Amino acid sequence: QQKVQQSPESLIVPEGGMASLNCTFSDRNSQYFWWYRQHSGEGPKALMSIFSNGDKKEGRFTAHLNKASLHVSLHIKDSQPSDSALYFCAVDSNYQLIWGSGTKLIIKP
Amino acid sequence: GALVYQYPRRTICKSGTSMRMECQAVGFQATSVAWYRQSPQKTFELIALSTVNSAIKYEQNFTQEKFPISHPNLSFSSMTVLNAYLEDRGLYLCGARVSSGNTLYFGEGSRLIVV
Repeated sequence: QQKVQQSPESLIVPEGGMASLNCTFSDRNSQYFWWYRQHSGEGPKALMSIFSNGDKKEGRFTAHLNKASLHVSLHIKDSQPSDSALYFCAVDSNYQLIWGSGTKLIIKP
Repeated sequence: GALVYQYPRRTICKSGTSMRMECQAVGFQATSVAWYRQSPQKTFELIALSTVNSAIKYEQNFTQEKFPISHPNLSFSSMTVLNAYLEDRGLYLCGARVSSGNTLYFGEGSRLIVV
């Protein structure tokens, strides 16, 4: 049974700083990984997907995947107050998404 | 772009009554619809997965008798919470996607408050 764990549980970063969020998974056969962001009172929105080992950059956001170490991370450069939200890592497993428990990111102006 | 609409956004219902929620995929054909419940602690529980041409698969702790789901076409799904009690409170999210490996798009959720 796939297990997905996220760390840290919460993170405070000054505006303009770098936020780094981590996620580990247990199934070595996992192929598809997503990061979702959920602002208060809204549904989760897909932020980025990553399928291959290495880095994937989209604007201020960089996802990193290392399947051998069962690790995926998200890095947010030049953090803005609007980046304050809950961030979830999700791993595709037999047509289901298995979710981490989330990281609460707070960007302090 | 791909959008998912959920309705209603929020319902307050008396203990023991039922609530029906709807999910509409716009801009794409959803071969797979997943219904989740997000707890007040923000964790996701998968209720059921509905895939075109397959029976609806309910997860442990969730039954068709309690959470009947209808998925009549590739753009619409509905779910009812029957005989709702306090433990059924939460944000019910509908996620729809084209296929495995593709992005799962969520609606804004239907919040159930039971009094």
